[in-house]
Amino acid sequence: LAKTTQPISMDSYEGQEVNITCSHNNIATNDYITWYQQFPSQGPRFIIQGYKTKVTNEVASLFIPADRKSSTLSLPRVSLSDTAVYYCLVGGGSSNTGKLIFGQGTTLQVKP
Amino acid sequence: GAVVSQHPSRVICKSGTSVKIECRSLDFQATTMFWYRQFPKQSLMLMATSNEGSKATYEQGVEKDKFLINHASLTLSTLTVTSAHPEDSSFYICSAIGGTLSNTQYFGPGTRLTVL
Repeated sequence: LAKTTQPISMDSYEGQEVNITCSHNNIATNDYITWYQQFPSQGPRFIIQGYKTKVTNEVASLFIPADRKSSTLSLPRVSLSDTAVYYCLVGGGSSNTGKLIFGQGTTLQVKP
Repeated sequence: GAVVSQHPSRVICKSGTSVKIECRSLDFQATTMFWYRQFPKQSLMLMATSNEGSKATYEQGVEKDKFLINHASLTLSTLTVTSAHPEDSSFYICSAIGGTLSNTQYFGPGTRLTVL
């Protein structure tokens, strides 16, 4: 399974756009890139998933360059409630069991 | 869609007893479920992969006789912590994939286990 590298922590202010970049140099051809959000004492919540190029949903955008060795989660206009840990995961393709190995994630602190 | 539930949400037990945690996929059939453990201020650690109707596959270092996993149906997997000790106190989280959602894991809310 491909290992991911993300910044351990980030600070932002309310109303700003936040971009969290994740490196996954050993991503396999069949791997998807998935981002989760986790609040304390809760299970991770699915944010967005992509394979290549750009994906957008109602809460975030995911930018994936052509080589797929990195990805960037973009959160528009964050609020205090976006303070959480964000995990970038690679895997889930049909070539493996669907396993995901969590890294340390990025702790985002949104300040007023 | 893609809702996963866990029961109980929290449990306190005495050392030496066994505790069962249920994980259910409410609106889809989960061909595969995963069990994770998370200690305070740490990331999730995968414990095992559970496929319906077959034995679970445990990650290295996870004792299969201590953490019994049963995936008897396409909507239910259970984790039993046998002869629990204080060091087993942790946050246990399950996830599930299946059907049209086979590329995405959806997580349950977690179960807080405290062993006295």
